Amino acid sequence: DTGVSQDPRHKITKRGQNVTFRCDPISEHNRLYWYRQTLGQGPEFLTYFQNEAQLEKSRLLSDRFSAERPKGSFSTLEIQRTEQGDSAMYLCASSPRPGLAGVGAQYFGPGTRLLVL
Amino acid sequence: RKEVEQDPGPFNVPEGATVAFNCTYSNSASQSFFWYRQDCRKEPKLLMSVYSSGNEDGRFTAQLNRASQYISLLIRDSKLSDSATYLCAVRKGYSTLTFGKGTMLLVSP
Repeated sequence: DTGVSQDPRHKITKRGQNVTFRCDPISEHNRLYWYRQTLGQGPEFLTYFQNEAQLEKSRLLSDRFSAERPKGSFSTLEIQRTEQGDSAMYLCASSPRPGLAGVGAQYFGPGTRLLVL
Repeated sequence: RKEVEQDPGPFNVPEGATVAFNCTYSNSASQSFFWYRQDCRKEPKLLMSVYSSGNEDGRFTAQLNRASQYISLLIRDSKLSDSATYLCAVRKGYSTLTFGKGTMLLVSP
């Protein structure tokens, strides 16, 4: 399977714990995005990487959230001191560099469903 | 005004019907437009990009109206398997996508 992969697919944690999610983009894609989706809403942008550089962060991304893409390949999203309001589906997407076919469109992974108790 | 707005539906249609969804966007600088399909508890999957001249992919036709700032999706000859939530997304430049909340479609036998 050459699509975007995410791990874990599900995570249940207690309030106050830290969690980390991983995303592996499509191999030739240099752009990687993190979104959050709650029930009845569309995906909401969190942050975006071009190669290893984090180029944009949403104001939704509080200080408790941090994302990295150290070698320009996979990315991690960490949430510290989780709160019940963090319960959501966390989606990762990737897109190819300009000039390649499919530029502009983003391709999503299966998501990590987080439940904070 | 929200950046991207969609009628949440649900749209209930019989098999074989033609159904159309609209999506309005507020940022006139938006440059790229997409329709995604999302099944329950799954990730969004790209259905089609929307080009200025309009484009068709089988039973699906997408249109862009820049003057009125909306995009549309037409589904002809609806199938049971078309039941899903349809998300529109817009983008300025090469940055992120802004999604609508989605329109739910239910196709019944």
